[in-house]
Amino acid sequence: DAKTTQPNSMESNEEEPVHLPCNHSTISGTDYIHWYRQLPSQGPEYVIHGLTSNVNNRMASLAIAEDRKSSTLILHRATLRDAAVYYCILRPYSGAGSYQLTFGKGTKLSVIP
Amino acid sequence: GAGVSQSPSNKVTEKGKDVELRCDPISGHTALYWYRQSLGQGLEFLIYFQGNSAPDKSGLPSDRFSAERTGGSVSTLTIQRTQQEDSAVYLCASSLNVGQGVIGNQPQHFGDGTRLSIL
Repeated sequence: DAKTTQPNSMESNEEEPVHLPCNHSTISGTDYIHWYRQLPSQGPEYVIHGLTSNVNNRMASLAIAEDRKSSTLILHRATLRDAAVYYCILRPYSGAGSYQLTFGKGTKLSVIP
Repeated sequence: GAGVSQSPSNKVTEKGKDVELRCDPISGHTALYWYRQSLGQGLEFLIYFQGNSAPDKSGLPSDRFSAERTGGSVSTLTIQRTQQEDSAVYLCASSLNVGQGVIGNQPQHFGDGTRLSIL
């Protein structure tokens, strides 16, 4: 299975941008890059996903390297509500592994008021 | 719109009892997933439904665990003769399926889970 590597923890000041990195050097051509986050005592929450091009939605932006071996989740203005564990996941578009989400350790983001 | 709803939110029961956990997915979502998460651990996949069929039950830990889905909507996860190691948060998620097995580009939307404690 294609694996991802993320820093264990990061800190950000409130209202500052945050860049959360993810390395996935063994990504295959049919793997989508997904990001989820989990706040304490809540279920995981979908954030964003992409394949090759950079993506924007109301929550965040996803910047994907040209060789697709890394990506960065960008929160444009961190709020206290963004303090969570962020997971970067690879999912093939179909077949085995396409429906199971497998979370690694993720990055624990702390937001400082 | 309404998100994924799970009930009960908390369940405390004695070892050996049976429990039923319910998941009401987002309307129109044909795919439904059950996971569990033990304290401080990652997600453990249990089962995946496409409509009322379960193409993959490989994650169910033992034959004490079963799940069904009726009408392509509500799903129940049943644990018989509960054991203390079954204590965990049981999470349900749902997603669209664009067809022909292409599902890896569909976000999964989670409920807040059922916290199950076995005494």
